[in-house]
Amino acid sequence: DGGITQSPKYLFRKEGQNVTLSCEQNLNHDAMYWYRQDPGQGLRLIYYSQIVNDFQKGDIAEGYSVSREKKESFPLTVTSAQKNPTAFYLCASRPSLGGVPEAFFGQGTRLTVV
Amino acid sequence: AQSVTQLGSHVSVSEGALVLLRCNYSSSVPPYLFWYVQYPNQGLQLLLKYTTGATLVKGINGFEAEFKKSETSFHLTKPSAHMSDAAEYFCAVSEGGTNAGKSTFGDGTTLTVKP
Repeated sequence: DGGITQSPKYLFRKEGQNVTLSCEQNLNHDAMYWYRQDPGQGLRLIYYSQIVNDFQKGDIAEGYSVSREKKESFPLTVTSAQKNPTAFYLCASRPSLGGVPEAFFGQGTRLTVV
Repeated sequence: AQSVTQLGSHVSVSEGALVLLRCNYSSSVPPYLFWYVQYPNQGLQLLLKYTTGATLVKGINGFEAEFKKSETSFHLTKPSAHMSDAAEYFCAVSEGGTNAGKSTFGDGTTLTVKP
């Protein structure tokens, strides 16, 4: 089945450590996105990529980094510089040019800093 | 710049009653508008979308929404609530084209359905 897979579903990290969240899609979509979700605040865009080897900062990119070496994969690294990393992280994708305008979402990764 | 305001962070209805979730948007260009539903600890699922054409849009699970340009609104309705409708609902706007996936989301409305 086609879709977006995020792993792991739950992740615990000690303060001061970097951690990488995985996002893989087999929908052949060009564009991929990372959102952060906090209670009562909706979704905020962290980074997005519309093509391999290119990505752009979103609204809250500080303390995060990404790479887009393959079309299928868009991993997100939460660095120790992110002051408040505990949140629910959602990855999404869509065809870039033409096609449907809505994004398709993964099931999310809940990151907790302990 | 685009923005979304969802009126009411929590809405409670009885089973069988009308569901009305309110969304107002602002956009400098003709918008694409979306409603998504999210169940606990899961991703977002598209309920319906407006791009162009007919302003009354029908979606999955009996939901529909009407795009009203003069009121900059895109309210979500369902004639009769079901217990399974209890979830969080997000309204989103995007500019379309290559930026269509770069949506701005509202803060969400949690729908509770009472038996």
